[in-house]
Formats: sequence, structure tokens, C-alpha cells
Amino acid sequence: AQSVTQPDIHITVSEGASLELRCNYSYGATPYLFWYVQSPGQGLQLLLKYFSGDTLVQGIKGFEAEFKRSQSSFNLRKPSVHWSDAAEYFCAVGPYSSASKIIFGSGTRLSIRP
Amino acid sequence: DVKVTQSSRYLVKRTGEKVFLECVQDMDHENMFWYRQDPGLGLRLIYFSYDVKMKEKGDIPEGYSVSREKKERFSLILESASTNQTSMYLCASSSRTGEQFFGPGTRLTVL
Repeated sequence: AQSVTQPDIHITVSEGASLELRCNYSYGATPYLFWYVQSPGQGLQLLLKYFSGDTLVQGIKGFEAEFKRSQSSFNLRKPSVHWSDAAEYFCAVGPYSSASKIIFGSGTRLSIRP
Repeated sequence: DVKVTQSSRYLVKRTGEKVFLECVQDMDHENMFWYRQDPGLGLRLIYFSYDVKMKEKGDIPEGYSVSREKKERFSLILESASTNQTSMYLCASSSRTGEQFFGPGTRLTVL
């Protein structure tokens, strides 16, 4: 079955510390992978995406993610978090095609300690 | 920039009322989606549409219907609202590459 797992429901890190949010997926075909961020009361904003090519992808707001096929993972990283990064983060997987039904993980809530 | 707008940010309705949630996108996208978001459950797909007048059920279509009469507009209809439909509703649209763009969401409360 196709699925996305974000094992951490809630993470708290100190401002300025590094961050890694975990994402594992199960998908039968070549996956198209995404990370989205949702600030409180807002819709989702795309941080970055991966389909092919360099397995380390850069996104907006200083985030990056690394695709590891052997581990079925697509972890999100940031070297130094800012208080404004507090939000909920969703990993998602889908086919690279039209009418794409993307499967979302259940999300990881990030809190920032001053 | 792609813009997806939703007709209301907050909505309060009574049990049994018919509720319309409207979504409009301005990027000529073929695909549009309706999700509901509940704490701990992530995003669950209600319905999606890949063309005008075309629709397909998502994972939780019960109690909902949709309408897509124009390419830019996708409506979600709750025929008879119930308290268990209290939720955040998110609309999205996507191009052929599959990347989805989201609206700000409508928080619906059914009393």
C-alpha cells in the first residue's frame, strides 16, 4: 500500500539549532516527493520537491531535503532554525502525472525554544 | 504566483443546513482537490476533479458532493451538515506535474 510516515508528531528545538524532520514512504513506482509547511490557521505552502536528478534538493526558507532510495526516506533539514519556522510540516508522495493524488503524512509540529 | 482562494475563512452552520464551500484558482490548472484536515489525521482527500464536469471520489467522500462547472472553480457541498463535519477544509489545484497549490482554508463549525 502507498503510504507516508512521519514518525515524529511534535519536535521542539532551540533557535539557532539544526533541524531534521523524518519522512519515510512506501510507493510502488518512482515517487514524486514533496515537503509542505503550514503556519497556524493557514493553507499549505510548498517548501521543496524531488522527482529525479540530484538527491539533495534545495527549497525555500533555507530548507533542504535528501532522497535516499535505499531507505525510502526523504528527510527535511535546516542548519539553523529561526523562531518563524515554528509550524506544521507535511511530507507527501505522488506520481509524476496529471490528476495526481498526492498522499500526505500526518505531519510533524515544530516548536522553537527561545 | 499561483493563487487559490476560498470563499470563507470561517463558517458556522447548524446541523442539517446545506453548506457550500467555494474555491477558485487563477492559473488555469486542470486538477482541483478538496481535503479536510483534522488534528492527528493529516490531510484526507474528499473529492478531486481533473476536468470541467469531471469528478472522482477521494478517501472520505461520504456526506459530501462537488461541482465543477468552470475550470477555475470547484465547489464542495455538504448536503446536510452534521457535527462530525466540523473541520478545516482545504482546496488545492495542480498542474500536470502534480505539484499542488493550496488555498488558505475554511474552518467550518457545525453546531
